[in-house]
Amino acid sequence: EDKVVQSPLSLVVHEGDTVTLNCSYEVTNFRSLLWYKQEKKAPTFLFMLTSSGIEKKSGRLSSILDKKELSSILNITATQTGDSAIYLCAVVEGYSGYALNFGKGTSLLVTP
Amino acid sequence: SQTIHQWPATLVQPVGSPLSLECTVEGTSNPNLYWYRQAAGRGLQLLFYSVGIGQISSEVPQNLSASRPQDRQFILSSKKLLLSDSGFYLCAWSVGAASGEQYFGPGTRLTVT
Repeated sequence: EDKVVQSPLSLVVHEGDTVTLNCSYEVTNFRSLLWYKQEKKAPTFLFMLTSSGIEKKSGRLSSILDKKELSSILNITATQTGDSAIYLCAVVEGYSGYALNFGKGTSLLVTP
Repeated sequence: SQTIHQWPATLVQPVGSPLSLECTVEGTSNPNLYWYRQAAGRGLQLLFYSVGIGQISSEVPQNLSASRPQDRQFILSSKKLLLSDSGFYLCAWSVGAASGEQYFGPGTRLTVT
């Protein structure tokens, strides 16, 4: 059973729209949650959220961690075509300390 | 600044042939190193990680193996490829487990025919 579930699996929006991507997790001994953006090849790091840092913002992107609901959202405002990518959510479990448990990702397409 | 390299970028190999993918990191010492596979319709799956030279931990039993002959070099190998080994292989590094942030290389697209 998947430890990290992302929704929706895919999304098509128009430039200028605001989107919210969801990530829910079920792991023992939660340590941190990370968001990555994957375009053609390598995922690039966006945010890391922990118990001591449950909200992050960078430009038009922001993310919130809800430890009670075991979930996180990634918001993108005023979307641009360059935001088109697969957005990956990953969770680190404390006992392993190393393994990132990835969700399947949300494929976002922003049309002009 | 740190840089991570992977090669080859793409590879087409017949079933039963051997495999060797290489990953090197520049600009940091004693990194933790990771091999992931991304198969179609599936999330990134951790295959191996290494916290030091000669130290390899396997997350998923399979016909692949990994080695770390030098501090900043990580190699993924197989003696005989299976069709199911096709996928996108990504190498990543991190400073340590505590941060959780891992940085990925450009990847190798492997097609087993």
